[in-house]
Amino acid sequence: EPEVTQTPSHQVTQMGQEVILRCVPISNHLYFYWYRQILGQKVEFLVSFYNNEISEKSEIFDDQFSVERPDGSNFTLKIRSTKLEDSAMYFCASRGGGYQPQHFGDGTRLSIL
Amino acid sequence: SQQGEEDPQALSIQEGENATMNCSYKTSINNLQWYRQNSGRGLVHLILIRSNEREKHSGRLRVTLDTSKKSSSLLITASRAADTASYFCATLLGLGGGADGLTFGKGTHLIIQP
Repeated sequence: EPEVTQTPSHQVTQMGQEVILRCVPISNHLYFYWYRQILGQKVEFLVSFYNNEISEKSEIFDDQFSVERPDGSNFTLKIRSTKLEDSAMYFCASRGGGYQPQHFGDGTRLSIL
Repeated sequence: SQQGEEDPQALSIQEGENATMNCSYKTSINNLQWYRQNSGRGLVHLILIRSNEREKHSGRLRVTLDTSKKSSSLLITASRAADTASYFCATLLGLGGGADGLTFGKGTHLIIQP
């Protein structure tokens, strides 16, 4: 069964550095998402992406964050000037059209030191 | 906020017993979804119930939806050790447009004792 894949599984970065989290959504899916889950807290929506542009974004998704679909397969989340509070699990998801559910990757654990 | 809130926060039962988890939400919804998360893994979609449906089955799962009470329940029958996981209900943040993100509750951590 097709899966959403995320790399790396664990990323350790110094505070203030930029980090890029990578995702390969399921092929032929149309909608792409990023979520984060701080340890012990709820999964929170960050941003959705459709037709090569951002569709929706939450208050968390400020100017520090950006997303890109640089080619036909990858979907990336860039975090500039990382802060300690950016430490979390970051999940990518994708879905097809209609009432199709979102399919999640296994996440990237981001640790900011 | 449309956030779902599950209860109980934790549930421990014996293998073979049924497990029931509840979810409440605050505003009108287009549909409600249940997801499972095994430790250290991503969320796995279990079942979606639309706002005009009252009950839905999928294998050992039964989901009910009461829009008048803004609540849903997930029943897992004949539980197995492999069902040990956290279970989350989720609703769409917007009005059901294609790119709407999901809002999740804190989840119910289910432990199945062998």
